[in-house]
Amino acid sequence: GQNIDQPTEMTATEGAIVQINCTYQTSGFNGLFWYQQHAGEAPTFLSYNVLDGLEEKGRFSSFLSRSKGYSYLLLKELQMKDSASYLCAVRDGSQTGANNLFFGTGTRLTVIP
Amino acid sequence: ETGVTQTPRHLVMGMTNKKSLKCEQHLGHNAMYWYKQSAKKPLELMFVYNFKEQTENNSVPSRFSPECPNSSHLFLHLHTLQPEDSALYLCASSLDPRVSRGNTIYFGEGSWLTVV
Repeated sequence: GQNIDQPTEMTATEGAIVQINCTYQTSGFNGLFWYQQHAGEAPTFLSYNVLDGLEEKGRFSSFLSRSKGYSYLLLKELQMKDSASYLCAVRDGSQTGANNLFFGTGTRLTVIP
Repeated sequence: ETGVTQTPRHLVMGMTNKKSLKCEQHLGHNAMYWYKQSAKKPLELMFVYNFKEQTENNSVPSRFSPECPNSSHLFLHLHTLQPEDSALYLCASSLDPRVSRGNTIYFGEGSWLTVV
């Protein structure tokens, strides 16, 4: 099975840096994804980690530690448009997981002026 | 525009009605998915189709019936639903089910379903 935990809500100030954590337990870890979802819109792909370390893409970075079952998404130079839900998802490559994606509840980030 | 289109965007139905949700992808993908998104709950995987064959049914009640006539189209037929089935239903697609960096899942904008 899969167990994915992330904070429900966070608030940060425009221009600041925010870190959204995700911890997971899965029987067949085969990659971790972060998605952004604005209210009323489709989730959109942000980042993918399968090896330990940091992946950087512009203002967004994602980190993975497989031994700790831990990831974080780092957002720099926050903008008002970054207010959204951020979904952590784990690919489960076990026989029962069948390489499907399983999601956390999402972290709703509010950016304030 | 993600290349995955869902209709209708909003649907209100009674518990005795029969309705269908439609999904179409224009990305040339081979795998399609139905997810359910309820308030304060994780996205729940419902069904997976790979090359039109159902490969996953995540213990979904039989009042939800999927249909995949080809790799570009996916339907979710709804019959005798319950109020607790009210949720956002998201369709998604990927090149194949072995989702990886260059092969991520692309979501549609969802169909908001309200069962009264």
